[in-house]
Amino acid sequence: KQEVTQIPAALSVPEGENLVLNCSFTDSAIYNLQWFRQDPGKGLTSLLLIQSSQREQTSGRLNASLDKSSGRSTLYIAASQPGDSATYLCAVRPGSGTYKYIFGTGTRLKVLA
Amino acid sequence: ETGVTQSPTHLIKTRGQQVTLRCSSQSGHNTVSWYQQALGQGPQFIFQYYREEENGRGNFPPRFSGLQFPNYSSELNVNALELDDSALYLCASSSGQGAHTDTQYFGPGTRLTVL
Repeated sequence: KQEVTQIPAALSVPEGENLVLNCSFTDSAIYNLQWFRQDPGKGLTSLLLIQSSQREQTSGRLNASLDKSSGRSTLYIAASQPGDSATYLCAVRPGSGTYKYIFGTGTRLKVLA
Repeated sequence: ETGVTQSPTHLIKTRGQQVTLRCSSQSGHNTVSWYQQALGQGPQFIFQYYREEENGRGNFPPRFSGLQFPNYSSELNVNALELDDSALYLCASSSGQGAHTDTQYFGPGTRLTVL
């Protein structure tokens, strides 16, 4: 059974710091992995999608990497800003024949001005 | 391009009642997925609809049911509400089916409180 874990559960950093959020999954046979952002009480915004054949994806100050063999993904945020404060969720799609994403419980990030 | 919309925003029900939540998918999307997110947890997959047919289901009891309409909007129905059904219900739309439903676009959610 696929399980997704995110560490740390919460993180508080001063503005301008570079930071790394971690995601691990128990079954390396995944189809793809997505990172999402969720503001309090709101829906999810997709940040980056990495296919199983890819090693990383970049969008602006965000870079996500994927190491399937070790069951790990990291989300790197460069030069953090107070507007980056949110919960970041990692989700894996177990295989091409399944339709669901399995989510971690998220990392709650607070960037201090 | 219109995003995913959900209604109502908030809802309060009592145990045993029934509820219907609604979702309008993003323009051009034919697949809708529903998720339940309890406080402090990640979303849990309920089911997915593609072209008006259920296309995959998570570990939820039959009292959770759904519909998709010809315009690809969708409803989530929950019968015999229980206290543990209190959660944020998220709808996500995407284009394609199965292997081709990659990026999902989420709506703002409906916050359901069961008293």
